Amino acid sequence: NAGVTQTPKFQVLKTGQSMTLQCAQDMNHEYMSWYRQDPGMGLRLIHYSVGAGITDQGEVPNGYNVSRSTTEDFPLRLLSAAPSQTSVYFCASSYRGSTNEKLFFGSGTQLSVL
Amino acid sequence: RKEVEQDPGPFNVPEGATVAFNCTYSNSASQSFFWYRQDCRKEPKLLMSVYSSGNEDGRFTAQLNRASQYISLLIRDSKLSDSATYLCVVNPSNAGNNRKLIWGLGTSLAVNP
Repeated sequence: NAGVTQTPKFQVLKTGQSMTLQCAQDMNHEYMSWYRQDPGMGLRLIHYSVGAGITDQGEVPNGYNVSRSTTEDFPLRLLSAAPSQTSVYFCASSYRGSTNEKLFFGSGTQLSVL
Repeated sequence: RKEVEQDPGPFNVPEGATVAFNCTYSNSASQSFFWYRQDCRKEPKLLMSVYSSGNEDGRFTAQLNRASQYISLLIRDSKLSDSATYLCVVNPSNAGNNRKLIWGLGTSLAVNP
């Protein structure tokens, strides 16, 4: 059981470049989300989805786009990378979005924007 | 006051020791509380939820003190493998969804041989 799979694990971009972080889960989870983790800040929610075709903004959505065409996949797109987007990104999923449900995280993507 | 505050540590303890972490939260209406564990450069993983009555899972005990607005995590008989960062997570609202979760910065634990 693969769980939540994120790719790539590492990425270096130049300012202004675009890229997509991939996230896939094989647990048939309805809820998927993207977080970023920065030193001195707790995990912050970027975007989330409660099902295929439904997405919404989290706490820090600017500069990122998402789509959810299937239950399994939830890619995160950086439209025009900026140094402020240097961070570790985690994709997470759960059966629904209710509070007491365990979040399953992918292994993370370390992104550097030069 | 930050919404969720943790002592960053590091806590350095010998194997076999008992260690406790506290986490304070600012919103008295907070309903749900969790401890996640994060190993260095890895993803967070749920350690345990924290219930009003307190709960125990093996060597780990979690408590909630609503009057003083903090949760605690007690680790007994520490193992080398317990070395990690422990993240306190709080749902600050009555909304029953994890979109509102507030994550602490974590408390670092190093268990030494």
